[in-house]
Amino acid sequence: DAKTTQPNSMESNEEEPVHLPCNHSTISGTDYIHWYRQLPSQGPEYVIHGLTSNVNNRMASLAIAEDRKSSTLILHRATLRDAAVYYCILRANSGGYQKVTFGTGTKLQVIP
Amino acid sequence: NAGVTQTPKFRVLKTGQSMTLLCAQDMNHEYMYWYRQDPGMGLRLIHYSVGEGTTAKGEVPDGYNVSRLKKQNFLLGLESAAPSQTSVYFCASSENRGPRGYTFGSGTRLTVV
Repeated sequence: DAKTTQPNSMESNEEEPVHLPCNHSTISGTDYIHWYRQLPSQGPEYVIHGLTSNVNNRMASLAIAEDRKSSTLILHRATLRDAAVYYCILRANSGGYQKVTFGTGTKLQVIP
Repeated sequence: NAGVTQTPKFRVLKTGQSMTLLCAQDMNHEYMYWYRQDPGMGLRLIHYSVGEGTTAKGEVPDGYNVSRLKKQNFLLGLESAAPSQTSVYFCASSENRGPRGYTFGSGTRLTVV
């Protein structure tokens, strides 16, 4: 299973942009990059995913390096409600079960 | 559209008691999963299922059993609860392929005393 590496924790001031990095040097050509976040006392929820091109949605943006060995989740204006644990995982676009490890993610603290 | 529903949300068990956690999804997903999450640790996979009538062991299966008699339901059983099984349990489901990822339930907080 392809592994991702994220910093354990990050801090951001409220209303400032946040860049959450993820390294995935062993990514294969068919792996999608997914980001999830887990708010306190809740289950993880989907944030965004991408394959090769940068992606935007109402929650965040995903910037993918040209060699796809790293990606960055961008929260354009952090709010207190964005304080959560953010997980970066790889999901293969092929049939059959693939082991996916969520790891411990990055705990984002937003400072008022 | 409810997504993934877990019941119960909270439970306290005495050591040696048994219980079943129920997970139900209404998205017609093929795959379903049970995870546990302990303080300071990531999600650890207990068991998973790739379709109705199938189950398989994950990373930490000892002390748990599962069943998937219907496609929409995935049950996690504890036959003889132990304090080490105190945890938050999350169920998730997904399609078997494609870019779409996982949908998680809101969790069951289990305490074994």
